[in-house]
Amino acid sequence: NAGVTQTPKFQVLKTGQSMTLQCAQDMNHEYMSWYRQDPGMGLRLIHYSVGAGITDQGEVPNGYNVSRSTTEDFPLRLLSAAPSQTSVYFCASRTPPGQGALGYGYTFGSGTRLTVV
Amino acid sequence: AQSVTQPDIHITVSEGASLELRCNYSYGATPYLFWYVQSPGQGLQLLLKYFSGDTLVQGIKGFEAEFKRSQSSFNLRKPSVHWSDAAEYFCAVGSKAAGNKLTFGGGTRVLVKP
Repeated sequence: NAGVTQTPKFQVLKTGQSMTLQCAQDMNHEYMSWYRQDPGMGLRLIHYSVGAGITDQGEVPNGYNVSRSTTEDFPLRLLSAAPSQTSVYFCASRTPPGQGALGYGYTFGSGTRLTVV
Repeated sequence: AQSVTQPDIHITVSEGASLELRCNYSYGATPYLFWYVQSPGQGLQLLLKYFSGDTLVQGIKGFEAEFKRSQSSFNLRKPSVHWSDAAEYFCAVGSKAAGNKLTFGGGTRVLVKP
């Protein structure tokens, strides 16, 4: 089924460890983004990409890196995990404008629940 | 900067009763407005969106929302709630000026009583 696939679904890290959250979409969407979800704060934008080779920072980028070497993949790297990065992470891709009812709609992955101890 | 406020953190409603979730946004020009629903342990699903035109927008699962520019609001409504509507609901705003990035409200958790 077409959509956004995130792996892993769950992860426990020790403080200082690094890891990469994977995100892949098969809808040929140019725009992809990473959000973190914390209770009472909704979703906050970490990084986003408007196409292969182009990334930019969102609202809460510190401690995270991204790259976009292909249209399909948009991995999120935690360089040195901290307890403050305990959260649920969502990747999303956006249908381009001009596609009727689907235009500008975001498709979200099912999330990665990360705990940093 | 654009922002979204959802004043109600929790709402409890009886099955079959009507539901209204409030959303207020802050943005100078005409925003793009969205409502998403998140079931426990799941990602977000788009319910409906508003870009322009008719201010009353119909969505999936029997939901509708009304854009009121004078009140900077985009409230979500459903005439008769089903138990399966128990979830968390997020309002979001985007705009061309903000690079089409979405800003989300804090969410409203809906509990449905039998």
